[in-house]
Amino acid sequence: AQKVTQAQTEISVVEKEDVTLDCVYETRDTTYYLFWYKQPPSGELVFLIRRNSFDEQNEISGRYSWNFQKSTSSFNFTITASQVVDSAVYFCALDYTGGFKTIFGAGTRLFVKA
Amino acid sequence: SQTIHQWPATLVQPVGSPLSLECTVEGTSNPNLYWYRQAAGRGLQLLFYSVGIGQISSEVPQNLSASRPQDRQFILSSKKLLLSDSGFYLCAWSPGHSRETQYFGPGTRLLVL
Repeated sequence: AQKVTQAQTEISVVEKEDVTLDCVYETRDTTYYLFWYKQPPSGELVFLIRRNSFDEQNEISGRYSWNFQKSTSSFNFTITASQVVDSAVYFCALDYTGGFKTIFGAGTRLFVKA
Repeated sequence: SQTIHQWPATLVQPVGSPLSLECTVEGTSNPNLYWYRQAAGRGLQLLFYSVGIGQISSEVPQNLSASRPQDRQFILSSKKLLLSDSGFYLCAWSPGHSRETQYFGPGTRLLVL
């Protein structure tokens, strides 16, 4: 079965702290894609990153970085020096070979306090 | 560049009334289109997806339906709303004939009273 687990329901940090959002996935497919989306209070989901199953290189984009480890089926997201504007719900998602469907995790709500 | 629109932005409807939510995409052809629902404080549930005009796949049995009358138009409907239909409805698109990233619209907040 395809599944995405985001065990952290809510995280609260103080501005400038680093924070890591965990994502664990399950799939039997060898070809799949993993995503992170950000949902600010306005509601619209904003695409952050897409990673395919054959590319385990970590990625850094400004204060954001992603750690993909197939050995542990994890695709964790770290925000360095968090800011109040990072407050949002973050979703991890899995797109597998089975079709045009994407499985979303339950989301992690991040609060960054000034 | 591509843009995706949804309207209305918010809607308050009585139980038993009909529903029509519209989603349109600009700047692309033959996109895959999706309807998701997000209940308050919860994750996204895929309701319908479409790979072409008139082609609708339903993921969850319910009193909602979807239609795709034009290539870049996706409509979510109901004949009689239930209280449980309240939520945040998101439309998304992805490039056709490929498994690419989905891009989301601004959403519609529906409250059924």
